[in-house]
Amino acid sequence: DPKIIQKPKYLVAVTGSEKILICEQYLGHNAMYWYRQSAKKPLEFMFSYSYQKLMDNQTASSRFQPQSSKKNHLDLQITALKPDDSATYFCASSQEGTGSSSYEQYFGPGTRLTVL
Amino acid sequence: SQWGEENLQALSIQEGEDVTMNCSYKTYTTVVQWYRQKSGKGPALIILIRSNEREKRSGRLRATLDTSSQSSSLSITGTLATDTAVYFCATDDNYAQGLTFGLGTRVSVFP
Repeated sequence: DPKIIQKPKYLVAVTGSEKILICEQYLGHNAMYWYRQSAKKPLEFMFSYSYQKLMDNQTASSRFQPQSSKKNHLDLQITALKPDDSATYFCASSQEGTGSSSYEQYFGPGTRLTVL
Repeated sequence: SQWGEENLQALSIQEGEDVTMNCSYKTYTTVVQWYRQKSGKGPALIILIRSNEREKRSGRLRATLDTSSQSSSLSITGTLATDTAVYFCATDDNYAQGLTFGLGTRVSVFP
């Protein structure tokens, strides 16, 4: 059974439109993340949430808005889409532990977004 | 960028050969993680090495960490076709903060 579900797997949008990428994790983790991977750039961290609160935001554009309705959900709303937003968006999660500042992150299968 | 590589590296090898890939990082970190990403999938952690370890082994994988030179390496011995993937090194220093990934090394293993 998939532990991190991302929907949809593929998404095609027109420039200027708005889309929501869905992410649900069933690992019982309390931290969730969004990353972007495009042909031009390496895996790029966007946001992190812990207990449904924003912890870190490395995305310059306000067009990207994470939304956490439940502890195990972290959706990503993208408005005013541009062709440069075309990429695969990965959701990830991790569990807070003790005695370490670093934690394994588990990644979902990704949503491939194409903006025409 | 946290990482020193400038381009995605690509290696093509035959099954059974050993392969080593390297990363260098620019700022202090307490741990280096190595992830493998197969085509069409998300990255998956394969080995993690902490700053107080010089070497870590897991099956056919061996990771090293040199904090003085701020570099890490990943070796795979006796490669299999199923090892074909892109391998990334990554760092993070705090809970619930994003990983900083290197550009990656694309390893293609041919039967």
